[in-house]
Amino acid sequence: GQQLNQSPQSMFIQEGEDVSMNCTSSSIFNTWLWYKQDPGEGPVLLIALYKAGELTSNGRLTAQFGITRKDSFLNISASIPSDVGIYFCAGQLLFGANSKLTFGKGITLSVRP
Amino acid sequence: NAGVMQNPRHLVRRRGQEARLRCSPMKGHSHVYWYRQLPEEGLKFMVYLQKENIIDESGMPKERFSAEFPKEGPSILRIQQVVRGDSAAYFCASSPLAVNQPQHFGDGTRLSIL
Repeated sequence: GQQLNQSPQSMFIQEGEDVSMNCTSSSIFNTWLWYKQDPGEGPVLLIALYKAGELTSNGRLTAQFGITRKDSFLNISASIPSDVGIYFCAGQLLFGANSKLTFGKGITLSVRP
Repeated sequence: NAGVMQNPRHLVRRRGQEARLRCSPMKGHSHVYWYRQLPEEGLKFMVYLQKENIIDESGMPKERFSAEFPKEGPSILRIQQVVRGDSAAYFCASSPLAVNQPQHFGDGTRLSIL
């Protein structure tokens, strides 16, 4: 089946630094999404991308949908302690109105104050 | 995660018992998805339902697992004769009918099998 690759598994940065995370796939997706999950909670949508090449921002977060449709990146600028959490990428093939999400394994982000 | 309500938040069952997990989608959402998450893993798709219809159950084990989304009431994920390997966090997501509307998740049910 389709798999999304996120690496490394963990990232450690200093407060105030920027961080970039990549997500790659062996096959194409028509939609890319980035979610953040805190312990004991469900994933929260950060950014959704619907068009190849699209670059979208949400506050300090910026994400891009790769031109090949096989990758996406998420950038967090000027990190703060509450950015700590697990960041998941997810791909979606839209057959009809909706379809399932395929998730990466996630990257655990730690921010040192 | 306001809107998608899952209960219970934690569920403990002994091997062989049945587990019932409930999900109420966000208001106005007619599509429900169930995912399973093992420790340090991403979420894995199980089943996609619309009201009274199963659209895609390709990720759901053929035995012991079933799901429904009745005309009235929440969506139910049912696991019969649970085994230790069923221990996981089960998440429900919902989306509206319109195209290009992302899925929003509940806070999950943590199922523990003794």
